[in-house]
Amino acid sequence: ETGVTQSPTHLIKTRGQQVTLRCSSQSGHNTVSWYQQALGQGPQFIFQYYREEENGRGNFPPRFSGLQFPNYSSELNVNALELDDSALYLCASNIGHGGSYNEQFFGPGTRLTVL
Amino acid sequence: DAKTTQPPSMDCAEGRAANLPCNHSTISGNEYVYWYRQIHSQGPQYIIHGLKNNETNEMASLIITEDRKSSTLILPHATLRDTAVYYCIVRPSSGTASKLTFGTGTRLQVTL
Repeated sequence: ETGVTQSPTHLIKTRGQQVTLRCSSQSGHNTVSWYQQALGQGPQFIFQYYREEENGRGNFPPRFSGLQFPNYSSELNVNALELDDSALYLCASNIGHGGSYNEQFFGPGTRLTVL
Repeated sequence: DAKTTQPPSMDCAEGRAANLPCNHSTISGNEYVYWYRQIHSQGPQYIIHGLKNNETNEMASLIITEDRKSSTLILPHATLRDTAVYYCIVRPSSGTASKLTFGTGTRLQVTL
């Protein structure tokens, strides 16, 4: 059983550019969540996808968007990058059953630096 | 979501028990207490969760007070590999999204 994987591990972009981060869920998991973790802070919830539909969103602007594919892999897209978007981006997957859910398993994250 | 309060840092000698406290005085009846930890440069790792009874697994024990307003995570024999940031989180058992609301956690330093 493979765990949650993310790519790339590190990324450097400049202000105004767009970025796509990728996540492969743990086998059998149909729910994926994305978190942003600034240096020295705890992870902050961005949004979640369940069976390819957005299933909840945190306090992030619309330039943060996502996709979940039929194989439950996922993408996080960020447009018009700002310096404050520099952070570790974490993907987590779990088995969701309608309104209930199980523990989330996290990937190692993608470190994004915006210059 | 209910909020939690944790000490910013703690030290523990290797081989001793590490007791990490958490206050969650506004917890609701349907909210569980979850503990995750994050070792440097890794994603958070699930440790344990509970509703009102004490829980134990191969990693740790969770003691929840009778009024559920506080809890303690116990690592019975801490090792250097337990050095990490520990997050106490409360969340409902179900809902529209299984988001985790992280605070700043407790940085546990295990020393020789």
